[in-house]
Amino acid sequence: ETGVTQSPTHLIKTRGQQVTLRCSSQSGHNTVSWYQQALGQGPQFIFQYYREEENGRGNFPPRFSGLQFPNYSSELNVNALELDDSALYLCASHDTGALYEQYFGPGTRLTVT
Amino acid sequence: GEDVEQSLFLSVREGDSSVINCTYTDSSSTYLYWYKQEPGAGLQLLTYIFSNMDMKQDQRLTVLLNKKDKHLSLRIADTQTGDSAIYFCAEKGSGGYQKVTFGTGTKLQVIP
Repeated sequence: ETGVTQSPTHLIKTRGQQVTLRCSSQSGHNTVSWYQQALGQGPQFIFQYYREEENGRGNFPPRFSGLQFPNYSSELNVNALELDDSALYLCASHDTGALYEQYFGPGTRLTVT
Repeated sequence: GEDVEQSLFLSVREGDSSVINCTYTDSSSTYLYWYKQEPGAGLQLLTYIFSNMDMKQDQRLTVLLNKKDKHLSLRIADTQTGDSAIYFCAEKGSGGYQKVTFGTGTKLQVIP
């Protein structure tokens, strides 16, 4: 069984740029959620994808967008980066209907300068 | 909205039991979780409990849920230095989409 993987591990971008983060869900999981974890905080829910459609969204502006592909992998795109976007971005997957077993990837550390 | 609160820090001696506490506000929570995060790493699912349960035990871990008081606790028996990490309490409400709300985490320090 393959766990949740994310790429890249670390990323440095400049304010105003755009970034794409990638996630491969755990084998057998068809639902992917993205979270933002600022330093010293708990993860904050960004959005969730199921069957290639957004299935719920937290309090994040539209410049945070995503995609899910037929193989259940997913991308998080952030446009017009701001300094406050610096955080650990976590992807999590689960089989829909089994959110009690949501597993996280190692995260992508994004630094915006 | 949903809110989950935890104390920030707990220090215990190796071999003792650790108890990490959490309170939440969403009375319609369906599942509650405990996750562990080691420095520079993602979150590891330790255990979860359904809201219709009072207790769940899994090896050294015991989860107690007081739904009336909206209080969740995690007890780690025989705490080891490898248990040093940040522990997050989280809850999933009964809303239409599957959002999980996390607390700010409790840093557990185990003293040898």
